[in-house]
Amino acid sequence: DAGVIQSPRHEVTEMGQEVTLRCKPISGHNSLFWYRQTMMRGLELLIYFNNNVPIDDSGMPEDRFSAKMPNASFSTLKIQPSEPRDSAVYFCAFGVRGSTEAFFGQGTRLTVV
Amino acid sequence: GDSVTQMEGPVTLSEEAFLTINCTYTATGYPSLFWYVQYPGEGLQLLLKATKADDKGSNKGFEATYRKETTSFHLEKGSVQVSDSAVYFCALSDRYNYGQNFVFGPGTRLSVLP
Repeated sequence: DAGVIQSPRHEVTEMGQEVTLRCKPISGHNSLFWYRQTMMRGLELLIYFNNNVPIDDSGMPEDRFSAKMPNASFSTLKIQPSEPRDSAVYFCAFGVRGSTEAFFGQGTRLTVV
Repeated sequence: GDSVTQMEGPVTLSEEAFLTINCTYTATGYPSLFWYVQYPGEGLQLLLKATKADDKGSNKGFEATYRKETTSFHLEKGSVQVSDSAVYFCALSDRYNYGQNFVFGPGTRLSVLP
């Protein structure tokens, strides 16, 4: 996972609560991606940033979802209010200058009850 | 826009069988191509890659060749093991003026039986 840190690893929350997922990238990155993975839909791109600027958020399912990258060292994905259908594994991934591949974090497993 | 299509799973094989997972892509530019593997409970890991036409990526006995004429990047392994059971994702990366994008296929689940 090339040092990509996601937190928390697991989150269980009640419907209607706010959920914040965090991602700390490796150094030298220039692109950041947030993905959602479910059994039904597979791996879906939610949003991606280049040089901390959001480029495409067309994959964000609803206004309840928002993502920020306040600086090059940190990104958050927020769901407010959360719903049971948001239950999934959320991954962040990075593209690095001088490299062609994406490096993935271990993911956050979110369960909304 | 760019897209990746890969064969539907699940794929179930016996140990030491030959594996092929088909992948085709559509891209406007000259993408790099990848295969990622996801083991249960883990994130995606890069398995192999190819950055230009006719390149062959290889790792852990897996191979894939970048075929520009057929826009394909099929994954192969001559003899699979139980430990190869995982989900395999074909992906492409393309560069644009605004930066870099990654597009993933839906994934193919492989189960290898002893």
